[in-house]
Amino acid sequence: DGGITQSPKYLFRKEGQNVTLSCEQNLNHDAMYWYRQDPGQGLRLIYYSQIVNDFQKGDIAEGYSVSREKKESFPLTVTSAQKNPTAFYLCASSWGGEQFFGPGTRLTVL
Amino acid sequence: KQEVTQIPAALSVPEGENLVLNCSFTDSAIYNLQWFRQDPGKGLTSLLLIQSSQREQTSGRLNASLDKSSGRSTLYIAASQPGDSATYLCAVGDMNTGFQKLVFGTGTRLLVSP
Repeated sequence: DGGITQSPKYLFRKEGQNVTLSCEQNLNHDAMYWYRQDPGQGLRLIYYSQIVNDFQKGDIAEGYSVSREKKESFPLTVTSAQKNPTAFYLCASSWGGEQFFGPGTRLTVL
Repeated sequence: KQEVTQIPAALSVPEGENLVLNCSFTDSAIYNLQWFRQDPGKGLTSLLLIQSSQREQTSGRLNASLDKSSGRSTLYIAASQPGDSATYLCAVGDMNTGFQKLVFGTGTRLLVSP
């Protein structure tokens, strides 16, 4: 089955910890994206990558970092510098102008 | 800066009713518009993609229209079913950023009662 997988589904972080969210796709898409979703707000773009070894900041990149060493993988690290990391994180990839999303990771700061 | 608005924020209808969800955007320089469905605690499922040169797209009981000049799109759902209950999100592809950036509305939460 082709698709996008995200892990873990739920993640709990203590104050001051860095955590990494996994995103893998087997759709052979070049472009990948990370979004954050908060209640009552639309999805906001954190980072995007149009090709391997290249990525760009989105609208709310502060406190986050990414890497794109393989076409299939685009992990997101939420650092201790992110002041309010509790949110639902969604990974996406795109082809032909259409974006496809993974199932999401819910991050909670304890 | 592109802004996307969806009205109403919530909608409750009885099963079998035809309904229309609205999406408006402030900048007509878009390259496409995508409608998504999101179930509680889940990711987004792509429903329909309309390219900027198209006026509408259809998939089963769903029909989406696009009027770039007025900055509007509508999603028409025919003969609604309880399984259609979800949040529907509209997103426009912004041409001004130099890459494929989607700008999202905050969604319409739909409840279809049996």
